Amino acid sequence: EVQLVESGGGLVKAGGSLRLSCAASGFSFSSYSMIWVRQAPGKGLEWVSFISSSGAYTYYADSVKGRFTISRDNAKNSLFLQMNSLRGEDTAVYYCARETGPGTSAPDYWGQGTLVTVAS
Amino acid sequence: DIQMTQSPSSLSASVGDRVTITCRASQSISRFLHWFQQKPGKAPKLLIYAASSLQSGVPSRFSGSDSGTEFTLTISSLQPEDFATYYCQQSYSFPRTFGQGTKVEIK
Repeated sequence: EVQLVESGGGLVKAGGSLRLSCAASGFSFSSYSMIWVRQAPGKGLEWVSFISSSGAYTYYADSVKGRFTISRDNAKNSLFLQMNSLRGEDTAVYYCARETGPGTSAPDYWGQGTLVTVAS
Repeated sequence: DIQMTQSPSSLSASVGDRVTITCRASQSISRFLHWFQQKPGKAPKLLIYAASSLQSGVPSRFSGSDSGTEFTLTISSLQPEDFATYYCQQSYSFPRTFGQGTKVEIK
């Protein structure tokens, strides 16, 4: 069974940092690209970042570029999001998700989410 | 960036109704368009991928279609468990982008 479990969320002051983790199991983690998506309270879904299966390619939303860094450890089946210079508008539930292959690139499995609250 | 314009933003419908939600891309995205269902407090669930392919385990009352840059999610006969918010997303290029969402409520 595919499972994605996020952790690392919490309350942080504006300007602070937080590192989110996503533990993957039930599939060959190193074969899949992964993404982070966030959802501010009462708002819609916002795509945050992408990392290729090897980690060689990464992409970011303009809203987080230069502040957030996505990475992965394929030996430990783990995905990370390092968030620096946090702002109030970064307050959201953060989801990790697996993308299917390059033919469709659909996020087919999602974690349950971890809440990040930035106090301004 | 590719903009995804989803409509309507909300709708009221009754059990058994046929429901249609539309998503329009600001440029060609081929068929790299996916539909998700989200219930309060839960993660999004993939319903339809590549415009019209039904994700495994999703009931057949859900279907997707496309015409150029316009994509449609149809629920053929709305069931009580279908009341939720629906999102489209393009994965044609970076940054990936979502539609604004459509909240389906009980009439």
